[in-house]
Amino acid sequence: DAGVIQSPRHEVTEMGQEVTLRCKPISGHDYLFWYRQTMMRGLELLIYFNNNVPIDDSGMPEDRFSAKMPNASFSTLKIQPSEPRDSAVYFCASEGAQNTEAFFGQGTRLTVV
Amino acid sequence: ELKVEQNPLFLSMQEGKNYTIYCNYSTTSDRLYWYRQDPGKSLESLFVLLSNGAVKQEGRLMASLDTKARLSTLHITAAVHDLSATYFCAVDKGFGNEKLTFGTGTRLTIIP
Repeated sequence: DAGVIQSPRHEVTEMGQEVTLRCKPISGHDYLFWYRQTMMRGLELLIYFNNNVPIDDSGMPEDRFSAKMPNASFSTLKIQPSEPRDSAVYFCASEGAQNTEAFFGQGTRLTVV
Repeated sequence: ELKVEQNPLFLSMQEGKNYTIYCNYSTTSDRLYWYRQDPGKSLESLFVLLSNGAVKQEGRLMASLDTKARLSTLHITAAVHDLSATYFCAVDKGFGNEKLTFGTGTRLTIIP
């Protein structure tokens, strides 16, 4: 398996633009997580899905952020409109059965100017 | 709210020395994970600890879990430069709650 695949790897956008981050989890994994990493706040869980259903979105910072998982092999995290404070590395991770670890993608480095 | 604290936050140590990173968490959990992150890279799973008293070792790293004390340790033996990285511990509540809360991370620098 190629692991968790995220795209794009880098994104530079202007304030106010819409940004969509994409994730393909490891095949067969039931859980999918979106994390954000910044120097100031560390690793924060934004939202996670179980079997394509959002379970906990309490970490989503604002209504500008939305996430979807239309099927078991694809998820998106959308920011609309984007702001400079959204600049961070966004990681997607997936996990199989309970009591196993989450596997992380390579991340998307987002810069909003 | 589950809180996970690591110390130290920064650690510089000489090659060949031993040291321990500590991870404390605030609520009952039997599931603790250690990850490694190299600069600009993703997180790599190191250990999964699932019960009180669990101990796992891989090369120069050994992790242990004391659920009664809500404490995990990551012990480094005879450090080598390749171990320089940031180490994170993470905890979830289990019982179907897979929300993984990460510690602040410990940036480890091994000095030749």
